[in-house]
Amino acid sequence: SQELEQSPQSLIVQEGKNLTINCTSSKTLYGLYWYKQKYGEGLIFLMMLQKGGEEKSHEKITAKLDEKKQQSSLHITASQPSHAGIYLCGADKMNDMRFGAGTRLTVKP
Amino acid sequence: DAGVTQSPTHLIKTRGQQVTLRCSPKSGHDTVSWYQQALGQGPQFIFQYYEEEERQRGNFPDRFSGHQFPNYSSELNVNALLLGDSALYLCASSQYGPGANVLTFGAGSRLTVL
Repeated sequence: SQELEQSPQSLIVQEGKNLTINCTSSKTLYGLYWYKQKYGEGLIFLMMLQKGGEEKSHEKITAKLDEKKQQSSLHITASQPSHAGIYLCGADKMNDMRFGAGTRLTVKP
Repeated sequence: DAGVTQSPTHLIKTRGQQVTLRCSPKSGHDTVSWYQQALGQGPQFIFQYYEEEERQRGNFPDRFSGHQFPNYSSELNVNALLLGDSALYLCASSQYGPGANVLTFGAGSRLTVL
């Protein structure tokens, strides 16, 4: 089965700093999804990447899917306390989604 | 436009009991998936329902069962509860077909088994 490894597991940054979260798959990714979760709540869809080399941005968050389609990165520019939460990558598997363990982001004001 | 609603939000059960969790999908969605999220872990796929049938199933025992109703709402039932069943149970809805995996999640039902 496909496994998604996320790194780092947790991250503490000062407000205003940039940061990157990585998601590595043991198999080729045909659809990579990034979600954000506030503690104990549901997941909110951020972005979907499907093509190797694809890059998408929304406000200060940019996600990329590498050319070989086995790794994705999520980059946050000038982090704010509102960016705090758990970031999860998910991959398509036969019409359902499998997730990594998540990266817990804390932004210190 | 209401998103995905789940009930109850919190519940406490004892080992051996049975529990039913409920989910109403987002308007316009016809597919419901259930996930179990243990503390500090990513969501684990339980099963997916479309057209009132279980279409996909993750690695969960038969104690976990579900149902989808004609109005697309769904229930998750867990029998013979174990301590390890304590988790946040998430329901997600989508439209079957291309783009089906852009999931809309509910806030979850937190189950504690004592």
